[in-house]
Amino acid sequence: GQQVMQIPQYQHVQEGEDFTTYCNSSTTLSNIQWYKQRPGGHPVFLIQLVKSGEVKKQKRLTFQFGEAKKNSSLHITATQTTDVGTYFCAGPPLDSDTGKLIFGQGTTLQVKP
Amino acid sequence: NAGVTQTPKFQVLKTGQSMTLQCAQDMNHEYMSWYRQDPGMGLRLIHYSVGAGITDQGEVPNGYNVSRSTTEDFPLRLLSAAPSQTSVYFCASRGFDRGGGYTFGSGTRLTVV
Repeated sequence: GQQVMQIPQYQHVQEGEDFTTYCNSSTTLSNIQWYKQRPGGHPVFLIQLVKSGEVKKQKRLTFQFGEAKKNSSLHITATQTTDVGTYFCAGPPLDSDTGKLIFGQGTTLQVKP
Repeated sequence: NAGVTQTPKFQVLKTGQSMTLQCAQDMNHEYMSWYRQDPGMGLRLIHYSVGAGITDQGEVPNGYNVSRSTTEDFPLRLLSAAPSQTSVYFCASRGFDRGGGYTFGSGTRLTVV
């Protein structure tokens, strides 16, 4: 079945440093979604990318979807303590209905002030 | 607008007991899903539904049943609880809007002893 892998699993950075998490799927995805989960909270939707090679920005966050639609990345510029949490990528396989959303294991970001 | 409501928030079961985790959404969303979250495992899809009367299995369906008799409700039934089902369970929903992601409930923390 489809597998979605994320690296790294954990990342500790000093406030102000940049951060990147990478997402790789074993199958081609119809879209890629990114979520953020604060400690003790529930996942919150950040963004969806649909097109091959698509790049979207949200303030200090930059999201990319690979040309083959099998990988993605999230880059945070100049991290802040409010960025702390676990970032998940998720996507439905291209050959299945879009209700079947498979998540990666997540990357947990710690930011030292 | 309540969003996605999960009940109960906490539950302790004895091995072999059965119970139903409730999930309701008031956004008229067609898609609904159940996930379990275990440390280091990310979010794993248990069952999902693309509309009333339609359900399908996710990655880890064994030991769980679902039904979708209405658009609003998507209960998850544990048939005979086992310690391996100790986890945090999240229900999520989304509409057909291609730009939107899933809205998650606040979760149910289940312990099976």
